[in-house]
Amino acid sequence: AQSVAQPEDQVNVAEGNPLTVKCTYSVSGNPYLFWYVQYPNRGLQFLLKYITGDNLVKGSYGFEAEFNKSQTSFHLKKPSALVSDSALYFCAVRDIRTSQGNLIFGKGTKLSVKP
Amino acid sequence: GAVVSQHPSRVICKSGTSVKIECRSLDFQATTMFWYRQFPKKSLMLMATSNEGSKATYEQGVEKDKFLINHASLTLSTLTVTSAHPEDSSFYICSARWRSGNTIYFGEGSWLTVV
Repeated sequence: AQSVAQPEDQVNVAEGNPLTVKCTYSVSGNPYLFWYVQYPNRGLQFLLKYITGDNLVKGSYGFEAEFNKSQTSFHLKKPSALVSDSALYFCAVRDIRTSQGNLIFGKGTKLSVKP
Repeated sequence: GAVVSQHPSRVICKSGTSVKIECRSLDFQATTMFWYRQFPKKSLMLMATSNEGSKATYEQGVEKDKFLINHASLTLSTLTVTSAHPEDSSFYICSARWRSGNTIYFGEGSWLTVV
């Protein structure tokens, strides 16, 4: 079965420090992987995706993610966290069981960046 | 990125009434739209997938007669919650994908409160 796991409910980081939000996946075949961010009472904003090519993907707001096939991981990273990065982050994989392209989401990780 | 507009952002309705939520793709043609429901501090639950001009495909456990989805054009999908009950109160989010595109873009969400 396809799934996405975000092992941490919450990640706490001091402003200016690097941050990592973890994501592992389980799919058959080549995965299409995504990261989205959700601010309180808002919809999801697309950050970045991995489809093919370079394992290191750069996205919006200075975020990047590294696709690691051997570890089936797609961790989200940022070299220097900002207080404004505090939000809920979702990792997702495209559901290959259908041709519709819907996403299977992880449970989300709350990122808290303190000044 | 592409823009998906959702309206209304907040709505309060009385039990037994119906309420309609609109989802529009503003700068692209959305051949496929998805409707999600999100409970507080939880991940997104896919309710249904709709393709322009076709009947929506509902996920298991989602009542199609209660949650009516219409995707009449390439830029508009609507979700109508019929005979609403307080337990239908939730955050509803739509998303859209164009033809063979890999990225799914989300609306800002709609808070529904049934009193």
